[in-house]
Amino acid sequence: NAGVTQTPKFQVLKTGQSMTLQCAQDMNHEYMSWYRQDPGMGLRLIHYSVGAGITDQGEVPNGYNVSRSTTEDFPLRLLSAAPSQTSVYFCASSYFGGSNTEAFFGQGTRLTVV
Amino acid sequence: AQKVTQAQTEISVVEKEDVTLDCVYETRDTTYYLFWYKQPPSGELVFLIRRNSFDEQNEISGRYSWNFQKSTSSFNFTITASQVVDSAVYFCALSMNPYNQGGKLIFGQGTELSVKP
Repeated sequence: NAGVTQTPKFQVLKTGQSMTLQCAQDMNHEYMSWYRQDPGMGLRLIHYSVGAGITDQGEVPNGYNVSRSTTEDFPLRLLSAAPSQTSVYFCASSYFGGSNTEAFFGQGTRLTVV
Repeated sequence: AQKVTQAQTEISVVEKEDVTLDCVYETRDTTYYLFWYKQPPSGELVFLIRRNSFDEQNEISGRYSWNFQKSTSSFNFTITASQVVDSAVYFCALSMNPYNQGGKLIFGQGTELSVKP
């Protein structure tokens, strides 16, 4: 029972490099989202998707791109990494349209931009 | 605007003490959902409880209990007889969409609880 799987778990990038954080879920959840966690700020929503082909911005979208071609996958792309993007990134998924649902989170990706 | 405030940044207690983690929320919506998540040192986020705005009943689960008071916009979390394994960062979160209760969560800043033996 995998749940939400994020890869990689750790990553170091140089300023200006690009990379993609992977997120996959096997629960057939319609809704998927990306959060970043910074000290003293809790988790903040970056982008979210309510289904394949549909994405929208959250609270802190600048510097990040997303796409959703399948129900299972929701990758987060950093086109030109900046030190301000050093953070821990969490992917989450949940049912859309149901009651009594909560978000299931991946294990997180710790990203350092030097 | 919606907001969640966890004013206690860090709390340190000795094992077997009771401890209450405070959560105050702001929203103009009449329908909303409140959550508590635990983040142990290993880093994952563990779901603890969900409460909707229409249900003000307090809840108890083992050593954990939650006190929801709409009059003060608070959803506090109490651990009774704390244990070292309770050491973690605890997050309170809010969402407003009844069709996507687990989505677009607004998190508080988190409270880091340290339970010493």
